[in-house]
Amino acid sequence: QVQLQQSGAELAKPGSSVKISCKASGYTFTSYYISWIKQTTGQGLEYIGYINTGSGGTNYNEKFKGKATLTVDKSSSTAFMQLSSLTPDDSAVYYCARERSPFDYWGQGVMVTVSS
Amino acid sequence: DTVLTQSPALAVSLGQRVTISCKASESVSSSSYSYMHWYQQKPGQQPKLLIYHASNLESGVPARFSGSGSGTDFTLNIDPVEADDIATYFCQQSWNDPDTFGAGTKLELK
Repeated sequence: QVQLQQSGAELAKPGSSVKISCKASGYTFTSYYISWIKQTTGQGLEYIGYINTGSGGTNYNEKFKGKATLTVDKSSSTAFMQLSSLTPDDSAVYYCARERSPFDYWGQGVMVTVSS
Repeated sequence: DTVLTQSPALAVSLGQRVTISCKASESVSSSSYSYMHWYQQKPGQQPKLLIYHASNLESGVPARFSGSGSGTDFTLNIDPVEADDIATYFCQQSWNDPDTFGAGTKLELK
């Protein structure tokens, strides 16, 4: 069965970076894009962007350019998202999801907390 | 960005029909498809795809869920509502860049 297993919760200091992972199983990894979505209580769900898992090509929501960097390791069927120059506004649950849209399978989410 | 407007909450009785609306600030339909999708999210869980391209039922989703609409006005129907359906429902459009989500409609029991 299709599964997207995300890494564990992160506690980070303002100005630092975090890199969260999304390991896919149950399907051919390079046949589907991986997208990333941010969820907060205040802003709701926000689309960050996607990565073409075959070519490594990326597309970002303008709002997240410079904030998020998407990469992929085909050998381990894992997608990554690095968030840089963290501020408290980056505190959220981050989901990976399969495909460009609609998102047919989602990871369980990673809670990122930015606090000094 | 395309703004999707949903009612924040709806109070429902089990067994009744409920309609959840989503209104887009601009069209999200082409001549062939409507790029509107619906998700269900329960507390502490990830969203789950229910309906894609406005009216297509995702595999494994009960037939009591249905979707309709085009252009700027879309609805998700649940008939009849069951206890397991108490959750928050989000619409999402993927026609205009960037993809955007509605703020969600929380179903509550009367």
